[in-house]
Amino acid sequence: ETGVTQSPTHLIKTRGQQVTLRCSSQSGHNTVSWYQQALGQGPQFIFQYYREEENGRGNFPPRFSGLQFPNYSSELNVNALELDDSALYLCASSLRTSGVNEQFFGPGTRLTVL
Amino acid sequence: AQTVTQSQPEMSVQEAETVTLSCTYDTSESDYYLFWYKQPPSRQMILVIRQEAYKQQNATENRFSVNFQKAAKSFSLKISDSQLGDAAMYFCAYRSAGSNYQLIWGAGTKLIIKP
Repeated sequence: ETGVTQSPTHLIKTRGQQVTLRCSSQSGHNTVSWYQQALGQGPQFIFQYYREEENGRGNFPPRFSGLQFPNYSSELNVNALELDDSALYLCASSLRTSGVNEQFFGPGTRLTVL
Repeated sequence: AQTVTQSQPEMSVQEAETVTLSCTYDTSESDYYLFWYKQPPSRQMILVIRQEAYKQQNATENRFSVNFQKAAKSFSLKISDSQLGDAAMYFCAYRSAGSNYQLIWGAGTKLIIKP
């Protein structure tokens, strides 16, 4: 167990809808990263938040947005859902210091868009 | 841009035998980190082993070890005495040592353990 939790476990939405996924970081961690993992592929970096500010973004459109709260929990919001958004969404928390800054992953949210 | 390539979609090994998973990467950076993660059917990514690029010594964690060849940009994972619980998807990942903390991932290798 990594101490990182995500909710919900599974979610089914229809095209055009909006969705919010939640992540609770490991205690003391100040950084959260979100990844999208399509079936049979490696994860793709969506964005990262450090102390409530976006601190890097992958090749994802603006309809993917996020928030990090003072207690370091986090949300991923996706607007105008498309069929290709169907994937496993992983969050990972870490403590930003000098060094390797190991990321600890949650179990993911499986999103299906119909 | 950095890329990570895992050329083996699937590998199988007899229980108690040794297996090596391959990973190559491309980067122009000199300082970075490399990781192997395991993703069992439960979906949770678990760190298996990591290697700092500035360290010449190959990392070892119990039955898991790596062969890090910086010049060749190769980072293979060796699993000794394979166990049924090792069955999972294995992902190789790269992270710059700079300010960008994102992980760049390979496509994964499915490891099957034969009893």
